[in-house]
Amino acid sequence: EPEVTQTPSHQVTQMGQEVILRCVPISNHLYFYWYRQILGQKVEFLVSFYNNEISEKSEIFDDQFSVERPDGSNFTLKIRSTKLEDSAMYFCASSVLGVRGGGEKLFFGSGTQLSVL
Amino acid sequence: AQSVTQLGSHVSVSEGALVLLRCNYSSSVPPYLFWYVQYPNQGLQLLLKYTSAATLVKGINGFEAEFKKSETSFHLTKPSAHMSDAAEYFCAVQGGYNKLIFGAGTRLAVHP
Repeated sequence: EPEVTQTPSHQVTQMGQEVILRCVPISNHLYFYWYRQILGQKVEFLVSFYNNEISEKSEIFDDQFSVERPDGSNFTLKIRSTKLEDSAMYFCASSVLGVRGGGEKLFFGSGTQLSVL
Repeated sequence: AQSVTQLGSHVSVSEGALVLLRCNYSSSVPPYLFWYVQYPNQGLQLLLKYTSAATLVKGINGFEAEFKKSETSFHLTKPSAHMSDAAEYFCAVQGGYNKLIFGAGTRLAVHP
């Protein structure tokens, strides 16, 4: 089965530093997502992205966060000035379509564990 | 607002025993419901989904789930646990543009 690839698997950064998490979605997919999971808590939706625009974002996704599809294959999440509370596992996902309420399968990457010191 | 609640953060069963992982949902519209599994050091993998067709949904690895509107439940079952089923299981309801709203997860342990 095709896979969503995330790099790096672990990233350690100092508080206040910028960090970029990278993802390569499945090649024919059109919708892309970032989720995160703080240790011991639920997996939370951050943002969805389609046609070079944000489709939807959660209240977590504030001005410190941005997403970009810089080329035809990568999808990135940037955190401008990291805080301690940004420490979490960040999952990228993609889907073929993004029909509202369509019950579509999302394909998830294996995550990037971000540790902010 | 839509939400899911998973009862039991940890479930332990013997190999060969029935697996039952509980999920209750809240939704103001007919929901699309999902079960995802996360094996150690891997991403979330779809086990099965309910999209308003049959109420009994069969998924991969012998798992199935039954949608019960009257009970607002979507419990996951497997008749006979295998050691390889040890993982974390997440119930989710769909909102928005494929936005998944996850439960807190249930860690399944299978012992010999």
